[in-house]
Amino acid sequence: DGGITQSPKYLFRKEGQNVTLSCEQNLNHDAMYWYRQDPGQGLRLIYYSQIVNDFQKGDIAEGYSVSREKKESFPLTVTSAQKNPTAFYLCASSMYGLNTEAFFGQGTRLTVV
Amino acid sequence: AQKVTQAQTEISVVEKEDVTLDCVYETRDTTYYLFWYKQPPSGELVFLIRRNSFDEQNEISGRYSWNFQKSTSSFNFTITASQVVDSAVYFCALSEAVGQAGTALIFGKGTTLSVSS
Repeated sequence: DGGITQSPKYLFRKEGQNVTLSCEQNLNHDAMYWYRQDPGQGLRLIYYSQIVNDFQKGDIAEGYSVSREKKESFPLTVTSAQKNPTAFYLCASSMYGLNTEAFFGQGTRLTVV
Repeated sequence: AQKVTQAQTEISVVEKEDVTLDCVYETRDTTYYLFWYKQPPSGELVFLIRRNSFDEQNEISGRYSWNFQKSTSSFNFTITASQVVDSAVYFCALSEAVGQAGTALIFGKGTTLSVSS
């Protein structure tokens, strides 16, 4: 089935650790995105990538890093520099264009312990 | 700056009631697209509808309908005869151009709809 797969579904991180969230898509979409969701805050854009080997910062990129070595994959690393990483992280992909809807994965819930 | 406002944080209704979720947007672009997504408890966002800035026709899909009014910059969503399965968080979003040739969605903060039986 075509779609977006995020793993793991739940992730626990100790303070000071880096963790990487996986996002894979088989929709042949060029664009991929990472959003962060906090209660009552909606979704905020962390990073986006329009093409392989290229990515751009979104509104809240500090403390995060990404890579886009393959079209299908867009992993997000939450570094120790991110002061408040506990949140729900959603990965999405889309075709080009203002009129294209984004397809979302099922999310990863990250908790700092 | 582009912005999407969903003023209703939470709405509770009883089954079979009609409910309207409000969405107000701000943009300087003349061409833009608006979206509604549903987020059930499982967490994945599900696409519901897309509307472009040149098409102000209302749309109906089963129990769902959408009212787009450019004059008031609103794109409201109505569920008729609500059901318990409609309980979810609903997001309104605006498509914006980013970088050199990309696009991304700007989301409102969402409205949590609870439908009780």
